[in-house]
Amino acid sequence: KNEVEQSPQNLTAQEGEFITINCSYSVGISALHWLQQHPGGGIVSLFMLSSGKKKHGRLIATINIQEKHSSLHITASHPRDSAVYICAALNSNSGYALNFGKGTSLLVTP
Amino acid sequence: DSGVTQTPKHLITATGQRVTLRCSPRSGDLSVYWYQQSLDQGLQFLIQYYNGEERAKGNILERFSAQQFPDLHSELNLSSLELGDSALYFCASSETEYTQYFGPGTRLTVL
Repeated sequence: KNEVEQSPQNLTAQEGEFITINCSYSVGISALHWLQQHPGGGIVSLFMLSSGKKKHGRLIATINIQEKHSSLHITASHPRDSAVYICAALNSNSGYALNFGKGTSLLVTP
Repeated sequence: DSGVTQTPKHLITATGQRVTLRCSPRSGDLSVYWYQQSLDQGLQFLIQYYNGEERAKGNILERFSAQQFPDLHSELNLSSLELGDSALYFCASSETEYTQYFGPGTRLTVL
């Protein structure tokens, strides 16, 4: 069983919609990453969170340490947001390596 | 551009062969992580090196090995390759224990 669970697995939205992707984890973590992977394969780190909330442009990430849950929100979604979004838990017990969720494949249509 | 470079970009080889993947971390980053992304398993941590020493091991097969050299570049060696080893291999580097910067990946195809 994966220690990091994401939902939904696939998501289709219309341009302009507000999008939420959820991530739950089952182990104690030092921090949680949200990553974006475009069809070309490259991975970009969007956020690293250890508490509270972070905002970057139209992207907002929140984390609730007590509930072991994080969300990634995209406001005013755009077709260029289409990508796979992956949450990854940073486990200090494993040399700070990342433990990944399966990813959420997002398609934003015009 | 993350500042992490990986070579080669693509690699096609046959079963039973051995290949070496190379990663150059961002300037000043002492940690290098190797990850494998396959269609069925998703992204998985393989191994981490910190300043030349192995720091943590994940789901790395015995046929795979890695090392980090004094100039901090790292190599991942994959031997006795099987069809199932076909995957994207990413390395990432970090200065602190929190932020990781990913390379563009090496796509390995085993025929």
